[in-house]
Amino acid sequence: DSGVTQTPKHLITATGQRVTLRCSPRSGDLSVYWYQQSLDQGLQFLIQYYNGEERAKGNILERFSAQQFPDLHSELNLSSLELGDSALYFCASSPSELGASGNTIYFGEGSWLTVV
Amino acid sequence: GQSLEQPSEVTAVEGAIVQINCTYQTSGFYGLSWYQQHDGGAPTFLSYNALDGLEETGRFSSFLSRSDSYGYLLLQELQMKDSASYFCATYSGAGSYQLTFGKGTKLSVIP
Repeated sequence: DSGVTQTPKHLITATGQRVTLRCSPRSGDLSVYWYQQSLDQGLQFLIQYYNGEERAKGNILERFSAQQFPDLHSELNLSSLELGDSALYFCASSPSELGASGNTIYFGEGSWLTVV
Repeated sequence: GQSLEQPSEVTAVEGAIVQINCTYQTSGFYGLSWYQQHDGGAPTFLSYNALDGLEETGRFSSFLSRSDSYGYLLLQELQMKDSASYFCATYSGAGSYQLTFGKGTKLSVIP
């Protein structure tokens, strides 16, 4: 158990709908990262927050947004869902920003999203 | 930008040694990490090389050559439970806080 908690673990929804994925980082971790993993795809970086501020943005679609709240938990919002958005979405956390803590980030168990 | 290349699949026999290579191209470099992911599970950190040379952690070792932009993960005394995907990852720094992963190498350990 990494200490990173993600909810829900599984989610099935219809195309065009909107969902929110939630992540609680490890106790004391200030950075939160979101990754998408599709079949035959590696871990695609979406976005990173550090202490409430957006720090890096990867290949995140405009239909997707995220935020980190004052209590450091984070939410990833996915809207106008398409079949291709079906994937495993991981949240990860680290004590500080990358570089200061090496390259070690701690992943949650992921949220499986199926769009039908 | 950053890119990491690693073989898509490797098969090895239980008890043997296997090496998983990773070559990278980055605009800056702050070290190479390795993560393990079992099917349907969360990636977990294995090792990190910031400097050239070999890092050993039990049955796993990781090597880095910064001049060659190359690293590898060495797994010894393979066990069936080592069957998993292995990802190399790097962080470029230089204003980018993005940890970029390779596409992963699926290791199958056979009896």
